[in-house]
Amino acid sequence: GEDVEQSLFLSVREGDSSVINCTYTDSSSTYLYWYKQEPGAGLQLLTYIFSNMDMKQDQRLTVLLNKKDKHLSLRIADTQTGDSAIYFCAETSPPSNTGKLIFGQGTTLQVKP
Amino acid sequence: NAGVTQTPKFRILKIGQSMTLQCTQDMNHNYMYWYRQDPGMGLKLIYYSVGAGITDKGEVPNGYNVSRSTTEDFPLRLELAAPSQTSVYFCASSPRTGWADTQYFGPGTRLTVL
Repeated sequence: GEDVEQSLFLSVREGDSSVINCTYTDSSSTYLYWYKQEPGAGLQLLTYIFSNMDMKQDQRLTVLLNKKDKHLSLRIADTQTGDSAIYFCAETSPPSNTGKLIFGQGTTLQVKP
Repeated sequence: NAGVTQTPKFRILKIGQSMTLQCTQDMNHNYMYWYRQDPGMGLKLIYYSVGAGITDKGEVPNGYNVSRSTTEDFPLRLELAAPSQTSVYFCASSPRTGWADTQYFGPGTRLTVL
């Protein structure tokens, strides 16, 4: 079945770049998403990428997609303490038209001052 | 708009008790979802609904029931609570006008079954 895997923890210093990685198994994945979860809160969509794209940039966020290796990454430039959160990779794929998402386990990003 | 609201925020149940987790959205979204999040794990889909009167099972539906009598509300019912249902429950909604539609999440309900 579909599966999404992430490393569980990443620690960086404020001002450094953070790179969070994700692998997925479903080659028919259509959209891949990055969600952010702050402590005690629900998930918030950060960005997404369509499967026919290799890269998407949105301010400090860069998403890279390697379809051959089924690898997705999220780079956060100039990481701030406010970026400390859990980051989830998720995917959705046809033929479902229900918007069901398959989530990874989440990567906890710790930003040290 | 309040977005997606969930009540209660926290609840402790005894084994065998029942309860309903409430979820309401004021964005007129047709699609609604219930997820559970276990410690160190991603979210697993319990049930979803594509419109009032229509519901379907997700990955982990056993022990739960849902109903969708209105567009706004999507309650999740636990009939006989078990310790395995200790988790954080998230409700989400989506307008689903296209593939990349975001899901808007509520703040979650933290449930402990003892």
